[in-house]
Amino acid sequence: GQQLNQSPQSMFIQEGEDVSMNCTSSSIFNTWLWYKQDPGEGPVLLIALYKAGELTSNGRLTAQFGITRKDSFLNISASIPSDVGIYFCAALNYGGSQGNLIFGKGTKLSVKP
Amino acid sequence: NAGVTQTPKFQVLKTGQSMTLQCAQDMNHEYMSWYRQDPGMGLRLIHYSVGAGITDQGEVPNGYNVSRSTTEDFPLRLLSAAPSQTSVYFCASSYSRGTIYGYTFGSGTRLTVV
Repeated sequence: GQQLNQSPQSMFIQEGEDVSMNCTSSSIFNTWLWYKQDPGEGPVLLIALYKAGELTSNGRLTAQFGITRKDSFLNISASIPSDVGIYFCAALNYGGSQGNLIFGKGTKLSVKP
Repeated sequence: NAGVTQTPKFQVLKTGQSMTLQCAQDMNHEYMSWYRQDPGMGLRLIHYSVGAGITDQGEVPNGYNVSRSTTEDFPLRLLSAAPSQTSVYFCASSYSRGTIYGYTFGSGTRLTVV
């Protein structure tokens, strides 16, 4: 079946650092989404991307929809403590060949001890 | 507040017991789904529904039943709980299965089967 390969699995951040994570697939999608999950809560949508090559920002977050439609990345600039949590990429195809939203396995952001 | 409501938040079951996880949404969404989240496994789809009276299996349906008698509610039933079903369960909803706006998630039910 379709799979999203998300990396890294985990990373430690120090306040002020920039963070990058990415998601790849062997399948083509026409929608890529990035979610964040805080401890004890459900995932919340951060950014949605609908067009190949599209670059979209939401505050300190920037995400891009890969030109091949098989990948996406998320950058967080100048990280702050409240950025810790699990970030999930997700993808689907809307329109004719609809499928359910599928998820990567997540990138866990923690604060450096 | 409008959204997806899941109950209970926590539950401990003994092996072999049955229970129903409740999910309700007040956004008039046609699509509803259940995911389970296990460490390192991400979110895996159990069952989904594209409207009242219509349900279908996802990636990991074994051991779970669903029904959709109303637009608002989509309960998940465990007929005979097993330790392998220890997980965090999330209900999600959206206007349609392939919506460009993604899905709205509930806050989850943490289930432990002993």
